Amino acid sequence: QKEVEQDPGPLSVPEGAIVSLNCTYSNSAFQYFMWYRQYSRKGPELLMYTYSSGNKEDGRFTAQVDKSSKYISLFIRDSQPSDSATYLCAMSNTGTASKLTFGTGTRLQVTL
Amino acid sequence: GAVVSQHPSRVICKSGTSVKIECRSLDFQATTMFWYRQFPKQSLMLMATSNEGSKATYEQGVEKDKFLINHASLTLSTLTVTSAHPEDSSFYICSARDLRTGQNTIYFGEGSWLTVV
Repeated sequence: QKEVEQDPGPLSVPEGAIVSLNCTYSNSAFQYFMWYRQYSRKGPELLMYTYSSGNKEDGRFTAQVDKSSKYISLFIRDSQPSDSATYLCAMSNTGTASKLTFGTGTRLQVTL
Repeated sequence: GAVVSQHPSRVICKSGTSVKIECRSLDFQATTMFWYRQFPKQSLMLMATSNEGSKATYEQGVEKDKFLINHASLTLSTLTVTSAHPEDSSFYICSARDLRTGQNTIYFGEGSWLTVV
């Protein structure tokens, strides 16, 4: 079993839709939870991070962590074609600038 | 903002030859850099942690003698794939840890596509 599981998609939604991206994990030591966006053939860029359980909102993006269920989510409101990318969840037990364990990434396509 | 640069972005080499990939932090010093490999439709897999002035720490299953890492300065780490084979073809990405005051985050490079023919 992989430490971090993520549905690879692809996920196709119309412009303006609410997108829900999810990851599950098995390592209860993970404390830091990150979401990265990766455009085709580029390096990932950090979107958001959350420490321990709870919600965090940044503009159209909301990250949720439920440590009891070992389940994290990223919600994108009012999705735009420019949101089309691969979204990777990443986790660490020591910090956002430490060794990260990534999910496979979910490929999102927002259509006009 | 902080930028991490990787070079080359694409490289094709013949089987049996060696190829070097550079990772530079452009506006901050990075005592720690990370090297990842990403196969198509798969997640980034950490290969090794590169520490300036000391030996790299390799993840289980990664061949130290095949993937040579050198972190000779605070802004440069290199990954050399020795005696490359077609199965080494992949997307290699580095990241650098920014520990400046108020930062403490990781920035990724743009990645390097390696094709071994």
